[in-house]
Amino acid sequence: AQSVAQPEDQVNVAEGNPLTVKCTYSVSGNPYLFWYVQYPNRGLQFLLKYITGDNLVKGSYGFEAEFNKSQTSFHLKKPSALVSDSALYFCAVSRGRDMRFGAGTRLTVKP
Amino acid sequence: SQTIHQWPATLVQPVGSPLSLECTVEGTSNPNLYWYRQAAGRGLQLLFYSVGIGQISSEVPQNLSASRPQDRQFILSSKKLLLSDSGFYLCAWSPLTDTQYFGPGTRLTVL
Repeated sequence: AQSVAQPEDQVNVAEGNPLTVKCTYSVSGNPYLFWYVQYPNRGLQFLLKYITGDNLVKGSYGFEAEFNKSQTSFHLKKPSALVSDSALYFCAVSRGRDMRFGAGTRLTVKP
Repeated sequence: SQTIHQWPATLVQPVGSPLSLECTVEGTSNPNLYWYRQAAGRGLQLLFYSVGIGQISSEVPQNLSASRPQDRQFILSSKKLLLSDSGFYLCAWSPLTDTQYFGPGTRLTVL
């Protein structure tokens, strides 16, 4: 069965600094990997996905993620954080219609 | 473009009362549909998914049921609510086995 782990409950960064939100996965075969963001009392918004091809995936709002097969990781990154990026971030892995989510990482960007 | 709706947005119900949450999708046909519950603003638990009208799969035994009376309508129900049913309920859709797109959610409080 596939799974993802988000090792950090909380990530704090200063505005303008680069940010990284970590995710590792476990799946047999080739993974489909996703990042979602959730603002308070809202549904999850899709940010980006990796299916195949280039290991660096670019998504919405300036976010990108790097797929690393040897380390089974799919970390979310942004070169310069904004206060408005403060939210809950979820990594997910899917095989077919079975999508598994990590526990989430709360990102706080301080001015 | 596709749009997903959920209602109501918030609901406060007494223990033992019935429940009906509705989810509808516009702009697509024959989507896969999902119900998730999110407790305490963190991880998502898949409750039900559906690949077509009348086809419902349950992930975990619980006090809830789901139905899909129309292609783009997904309903979550309960005959008698428990305190433990409180949470944030999210509906999602996907085109076959690709990215899931989430609705705005329903906040359910059982008192």
